[in-house]
Amino acid sequence: NAGVTQTPKFQVLKTGQSMTLQCAQDMNHEYMSWYRQDPGMGLRLIHYSVGAGITDQGEVPNGYNVSRSTTEDFPLRLLSAAPSQTSVYFCASSLTSGRGQFFGPGTRLTVL
Amino acid sequence: AQSVAQPEDQVNVAEGNPLTVKCTYSVSGNPYLFWYVQYPNRGLQFLLKYITGDNLVKGSYGFEAEFNKSQTSFHLKKPSALVSDSALYFCAVRDPTGGGNKLTFGTGTQLKVEL
Repeated sequence: NAGVTQTPKFQVLKTGQSMTLQCAQDMNHEYMSWYRQDPGMGLRLIHYSVGAGITDQGEVPNGYNVSRSTTEDFPLRLLSAAPSQTSVYFCASSLTSGRGQFFGPGTRLTVL
Repeated sequence: AQSVAQPEDQVNVAEGNPLTVKCTYSVSGNPYLFWYVQYPNRGLQFLLKYITGDNLVKGSYGFEAEFNKSQTSFHLKKPSALVSDSALYFCAVRDPTGGGNKLTFGTGTQLKVEL
């Protein structure tokens, strides 16, 4: 199993550009989540999904969209990037709500 | 709303000594509690969890954590620290009455183990 994979590893955007961060897992996990990690703030939940076709907002959803058309994939879309979205983004998945989550290696995003 | 506090930004320990990384939580129901570790430029790795049962939970790499309901704490411990344990540690809580798998993380504690 590859586990949780994320692409790209690094990305630089200009303000106003759009992009999609990709996340995929091959463990048949129902639960998937997107977090952002900022210095001194820990990880904050952006969006999450409890299964294909079902998504919901987390703590900091503004400026981000998600969709879950398959169990494996959970892309995160930035429609109009802002410097405040400069961060490291982690995707995570778990089989059930009581299990520990598996994290991807992260995407480091810089918005100029 | 659920919340987690990690009161120490950094903990320094000599190799071979016991270590404790502190975590307190606030949640409306009975909590699910987790510890994760992050090595530089890597994603988080799951260490251990408390859902129910024995208050002392054993996890990966010799770590354990003690759930204390009266003090709303879930401190991470290891009897004998290794230099390789140096990393960033995150405590997380989930209110099981809520939907999905919404974890709230603490701000992290940097553990430094020195020779």
